[in-house]
Amino acid sequence: GAVVSQHPSWVICKSGTSVKIECRSLDFQATTMFWYRQFPKQSLMLMATSNEGSKATYEQGVEKDKFLINHASLTLSTLTVTSAHPEDSSFYICSANERGLAGGNLYFGPGTRLLVL
Amino acid sequence: GQQLNQSPQSMFIQEGEDVSMNCTSSSIFNTWLWYKQDPGEGPVLLIALYKAGELTSNGRLTAQFGITRKDSFLNISASIPSDVGIYFCAGHGLDNYGQNFVFGPGTRLSVLP
Repeated sequence: GAVVSQHPSWVICKSGTSVKIECRSLDFQATTMFWYRQFPKQSLMLMATSNEGSKATYEQGVEKDKFLINHASLTLSTLTVTSAHPEDSSFYICSANERGLAGGNLYFGPGTRLLVL
Repeated sequence: GQQLNQSPQSMFIQEGEDVSMNCTSSSIFNTWLWYKQDPGEGPVLLIALYKAGELTSNGRLTAQFGITRKDSFLNISASIPSDVGIYFCAGHGLDNYGQNFVFGPGTRLSVLP
């Protein structure tokens, strides 16, 4: 199946710093990418929908100035957690929708674990 | 908004037993997807279903797209320890904002040796 990568896999940072997470579709073009966060033993929580060449659509309760999303190309979306605080510590996962496939297949990255000290 | 219900929420089974879980929705979807997530990893796509009534197998896994397009089930036959994980269903459709993927809360599977 299609491959989605995330970088980095692990991030440990000090409170107040910004962290950028990359999501890449390696063997297909993705017009749409999604960003989720997941707390232990909980389901995926959609944060935002990232469309190539346009502004991201954020879910209710997600601060767009806190979580900056850029989808500059059909294979790359980035999530920047600005001025990170301990409560931002979580597992962040991206997914990409394979372009042009009828019905839509969604492939996930391996996730990025963020720990803010 | 659209929501998916998954049942059971969690289950404990003996190795070798068959497993059945399902996903229901109040909305119609065009595609049903089933994923497995291992601890600390991203979900992995297991089976994708595109037509109402479609029955698809992937090894020991079998999934069906309900006739009403509002439900789907996933069966695992002869479970093994590596089947342990969280199984998510997802429905895909179109809403006013374009493509929409909705996820269920997951079924946590534990396999006892």
